[in-house]
Amino acid sequence: QSALTQPASVSGSPGQSITISCTGTSSDVGGYNYVSWYQQYPGKAPKLMIYDVSKRPSGVSNRFSGSKSGNTASLTISGLQAEDEADYYCCSYAGSSTWVFGGGTKVTVL
Amino acid sequence: EVQLVESGGGLVQPGGSLKLSCAASGFTFSGSAMHWVRQASGKGLEWVGRIRSRANSYATAYAASVKGRFTISRDDSKNMASLQMNSLKIEDTAVYYCTRQPPGDSDVFDIWGQGTMVTVSS
Repeated sequence: QSALTQPASVSGSPGQSITISCTGTSSDVGGYNYVSWYQQYPGKAPKLMIYDVSKRPSGVSNRFSGSKSGNTASLTISGLQAEDEADYYCCSYAGSSTWVFGGGTKVTVL
Repeated sequence: EVQLVESGGGLVQPGGSLKLSCAASGFTFSGSAMHWVRQASGKGLEWVGRIRSRANSYATAYAASVKGRFTISRDDSKNMASLQMNSLKIEDTAVYYCTRQPPGDSDVFDIWGQGTMVTVSS
C-alpha cells in the first residue's frame, strides 16, 4: 500500500487561506468517505482535526474544513494563524481492514 | 482524564523482540478498536495494525511491512493493549503510538498516546 501523496510544504501569510491536498486512488481516498486529517507539532502526538472527509471534532476551530473530490481530499485552513504552523497528515481507510497515511505537509506561516 | 500511555520502548538488536504496552484510561476501552501507528525520525506516520473489540471477535489486521512479525493483543480487564514485535529490523526504528478508534461508524483515530521510542540497532 503506497502512502497518499501530499505536498511537502505549504505556506501562507496570517489571515490567508491555504489548502493541503491528499491524493490517493480509487482503492482508498476515492473508494471511501473515510478520510481524516491530523495536526502534529514537533515532538508531539498527532491531533485529530477532521474525520469522515469533512466532520470536525468538538474543540477544533471552524477555520479547519475538509472536502473530497474523486481520489483527492483537501484540508483548508482559513484565517491562517501562527499557531497553525505544524505538520499535517491525511489518512484514509484503504479496504481489507488497512489504513494508509499521507507523507505529511509542513505548513509555514510567513 | 482521557488518555493513552505507551511504554516498553528501548534499544534492541536486529532480529530481537520487544513488547510495547498501551494503558488506557478515562473512556470505555472495551468497546473501542485500538491501533498502532509508527513514525520514523523525520518521516511521516505509518499505520501498523489494529485490534477490534470483543464484540468484533478481537479481529486483528496488520500492515504488509509487519505482517507475520508483529502481533497486537489486548486485555480489557486491565484496559491495556499490546504490540509484540519479533524479528525486528533496523527499519522498524520509530516512535510507536497507540491510538483509539471509537465504536460506531466513524473512521477516526481520536485519542493518541505520547508515543514510545523503539531503536533497532547493533
